[in-house]
Amino acid sequence: DVKVTQSSRYLVKRTGEKVFLECVQDMDHENMFWYRQDPGLGLRLIYFSYDVKMKEKGDIPEGYSVSREKKERFSLILESASTNQTSMYLCASSLGGTSQETQYFGPGTRLLVL
Amino acid sequence: DAKTTQPPSMDCAEGRAANLPCNHSTISGNEYVYWYRQIHSQGPQYIIHGLKNNETNEMASLIITEDRKSSTLILPHATLRDTAVYYCIVRVYSSASKIIFGSGTRLSIRP
Repeated sequence: DVKVTQSSRYLVKRTGEKVFLECVQDMDHENMFWYRQDPGLGLRLIYFSYDVKMKEKGDIPEGYSVSREKKERFSLILESASTNQTSMYLCASSLGGTSQETQYFGPGTRLLVL
Repeated sequence: DAKTTQPPSMDCAEGRAANLPCNHSTISGNEYVYWYRQIHSQGPQYIIHGLKNNETNEMASLIITEDRKSSTLILPHATLRDTAVYYCIVRVYSSASKIIFGSGTRLSIRP
C-alpha cells in the first residue's frame, strides 16, 4: 500500500510567520506534488518535483517555495504566511519514469493563517 | 485532459450497490478513466482506473462502455463510510501532470 503522510493535520499560524509543511512517501516514488484545495476553486497545483533537488512551478507558486533534498520527502514553505494562504494543502506522489502515473494523496493539512 | 460530466449528487441504501455514472464523450484513445473519492476533510483517495476493459479491485468495479464515451463506478456493497465526493477524471496514463478534479458526485449512503 502506498503511504503518503503529512506532518500536521491542522495548523494555526500568524501572518508573517514562516511555515513548513512536510510530506513523506514510502514507495520510492519519483514524482511529488503540492496542491491547495479551496471551496469553489477545486484543486490547484503549487509545485511539483520529478527528482531530488528538481522542482517545477505549478499554477500558483507565488508566495511558496519547495525543497526536495531526499527522494521520499517534499517540503512546502510559506516564506511569510498571509491570510489568503488559509487553505487545505494536499501532497501527492506518483511512481514516475515511463510507468503509470497514478497520484496518491496524503491526508491533507488544514492551515489557518490569522 | 478530456472533460467529464457527473451528476452532482446521488444516494444509495446501505448494503446495496452504488452505481456512479460518468460521461467523457471527448476522451482520446490514449486517455485512461480514473476514479478518486474524497471523504470530508480528508485527502483524495485513489479508487481505480481503466482504459477500455472492465476493471475490478478490492474497492470497486469500473465498467467502461465499448465506445469509451461513458463509464460507471460500482461500489458493490455500500457502507456509511463510502459517503464521499466521487471524482471521475480522464488523463493520459503516463502524464506526470496536475490532476484536475471536476465538481464530482456527492454520494450519500442512507442507513
